[in-house]
Amino acid sequence: QVQLVQSGAEVKKPGASVKVSCKASGYTFTSYGISWVRQAPGQGLEWMGWISAYNGNTNYAQKLQGRVTMTTDTSTSTAYMELRSLRSDDTAVYYCARVSAPILTGYIWFDPWGQGTLVTVSS
Amino acid sequence: QSVLTQPPSVSGAPGQRVTISCTGSSSNIGAGYDVHWYQQLPGTAPKLLIYGNSNRPSGVPDRFSGSKSGTSASLAITGLQAEDEADYYCQSYDSSLSAVVVFGGGTKLTVL
Repeated sequence: QVQLVQSGAEVKKPGASVKVSCKASGYTFTSYGISWVRQAPGQGLEWMGWISAYNGNTNYAQKLQGRVTMTTDTSTSTAYMELRSLRSDDTAVYYCARVSAPILTGYIWFDPWGQGTLVTVSS
Repeated sequence: QSVLTQPPSVSGAPGQRVTISCTGSSSNIGAGYDVHWYQQLPGTAPKLLIYGNSNRPSGVPDRFSGSKSGTSASLAITGLQAEDEADYYCQSYDSSLSAVVVFGGGTKLTVL
């Protein structure tokens, strides 16, 4: 079955970087995109950006531009999200999700989602 | 403030029907972009519930239905069950923002 399995929880100090992985299985990785969505404690969902596993094109949320990088390794069907210069308000559960198309259009949805990775930023 | 507006909470008794609204604008829902809905049970990842405004993925009961009109969309749940108690989020695309994928703020459904 289609599945996304994320790396484990992380604790980081302010100013550090974190890299979360998302390993896909059960489908042709390069036929879709991967999006990253985060959820701060008790809050709603915030879209961070996406990457096409087909051609590597990316699109990041403006508020994260310059701090986030999304990459893929097609040889292992794994997507990565790196967030730099961490602040306390970056504390959240980070989800990867398969995007319904290999290119970013106005009609994409997310299915399935990974199990989430808790990133805690604390001094 | 979310680009898509949802009521913070709704409630209903078992067996009843509830609806959750998702209001956008002319740069997202009103521009013709699709609306999708997700269910998030406590402590779990979101799950796709409705895609393309009104389509149910395999395995989603037909008690769940979606619709869209103008700058708004709605999720309806009939025959409420205790296991429907969860957070529900709408999602669409916005052509005027840099964060092109937008979510509603979420609605907590309580089954009384």
